[in-house]
Amino acid sequence: QVQLKETGPGLVQPTQTLSITCTVSGFSLTSYYMQWVRQTPGKGLEWMGFIRSGGSTEYNSEFKSRLSISRDTSKNQVFLKMNSLKTEDTGVYYCARSRGAAMALGNWFAYWGQGTLVTVSS
Amino acid sequence: DIVMTQSPSSLAVSAGETVTINCKSSQSLLYSGNQKNYLAWYQQKPGQSPKLLIYWASTRQSGVPDRFIGSGSGTDFTLTISSVQAEDLAIYYCQQYYDTPYTFGAGTKLELK
Repeated sequence: QVQLKETGPGLVQPTQTLSITCTVSGFSLTSYYMQWVRQTPGKGLEWMGFIRSGGSTEYNSEFKSRLSISRDTSKNQVFLKMNSLKTEDTGVYYCARSRGAAMALGNWFAYWGQGTLVTVSS
Repeated sequence: DIVMTQSPSSLAVSAGETVTINCKSSQSLLYSGNQKNYLAWYQQKPGQSPKLLIYWASTRQSGVPDRFIGSGSGTDFTLTISSVQAEDLAIYYCQQYYDTPYTFGAGTKLELK
């Protein structure tokens, strides 16, 4: 069955870089879009970006140039990296699977990982 | 960006009641090419990740009980939960996937009266 699981560092210091891995099973990364969504006390649920089935990416401009999403299809893993962390980046980070952004498909988030809590603090 | 506004922010209900949660988007989510509304509803219970309930504004995800009903079009949408059960106590979010950045409402917390 479809499974997604995020693993992250837990605690990150301000100004440092966050790295989270989403390991998936039950489907191929080359057939679906993979999304990153975070949930923070200050802003609630925020879409961060996605990596398309073909490997290209799109990001929320809110995160400007801080964010990078990549993948390793051989390992069934998707990666999130975000630099210059601030205390307001504290929250739960989720990966989610969707069908694709073409208007005919509909890009709702059908499957979510359990999330990984990230605390930004010195 | 498309702003999603949910109301109310919280709702106290008794088991068996019918509840309505509203979601309004700052621009139409109806795509003229297929006459579909690009709106989803999610349920989030404490300590859990969001769970997809409804997509295309009114299509229930497989396995979702039929007491969850999505309706609306354009900019105004509603999630109705008929005969609320104790297991329905959660926070409900609407989300637009019409255009990036995809955006969520602030949530409606369903509590026991």
